[in-house]
Amino acid sequence: EDKVVQSPLSLVVHEGDTVTLNCSYEVTNFRSLLWYKQEKKAPTFLFMLTSSGIEKKSGRLSSILDKKELFSILNITATQTGDSAIYLCAVSGGSNYKLTFGKGTLLTVNP
Amino acid sequence: GAVVSQHPSWVICKSGTSVKIECRSLDFQATTMFWYRQFPKQSLMLMATSNEGSKATYEQGVEKDKFLINHASLTLSTLTVTSAHPEDSSFYICSARDSQGGTDTQYFGPGTRLTVL
Repeated sequence: EDKVVQSPLSLVVHEGDTVTLNCSYEVTNFRSLLWYKQEKKAPTFLFMLTSSGIEKKSGRLSSILDKKELFSILNITATQTGDSAIYLCAVSGGSNYKLTFGKGTLLTVNP
Repeated sequence: GAVVSQHPSWVICKSGTSVKIECRSLDFQATTMFWYRQFPKQSLMLMATSNEGSKATYEQGVEKDKFLINHASLTLSTLTVTSAHPEDSSFYICSARDSQGGTDTQYFGPGTRLTVL
């Protein structure tokens, strides 16, 4: 059975701090790993990673995948209160493209 | 990124009635859509995979006769919760798989909050 484990489950930081969120996985026929941000409603897409060692960046957010060690990290630099959300990691595998989600990391950024 | 809409965003119904939720991909065609439910403070739980023109594939433990899925076109999938009961109250989210242009990403709709009285 496919499995995605995120850590930490919850994190509280101050504005301006840098955070690193972790995601490890076990999946049959890995296709891609995706990061989403969920605030009050449904998840919004952040990154999709398919290749090891290639960093994806979007503003203060960046992510990288290690397919040998089966994990990914999501970095957020100079955090802002608007970064407060649940960050979900999901892995796509198998023939039907379904996603297996981790439990998420609840990030709280205090002013 | 691609846009996925859901309708309604919020519904309250009486126990025993049926509720239909629509999921549309607005600017791309989606041969595959997924339906999830999410309970408070929990992650998304996949209910079923909806393939255009064929029967949906349900995850273990999800009653296919209770959660009817129809994916009649490349931009629309519907989930009907039949004979809803209070325990069906949840946040239902769809996603649509965009596989065009070499990408293979799932985009989520904004979700539908169902409350069954």
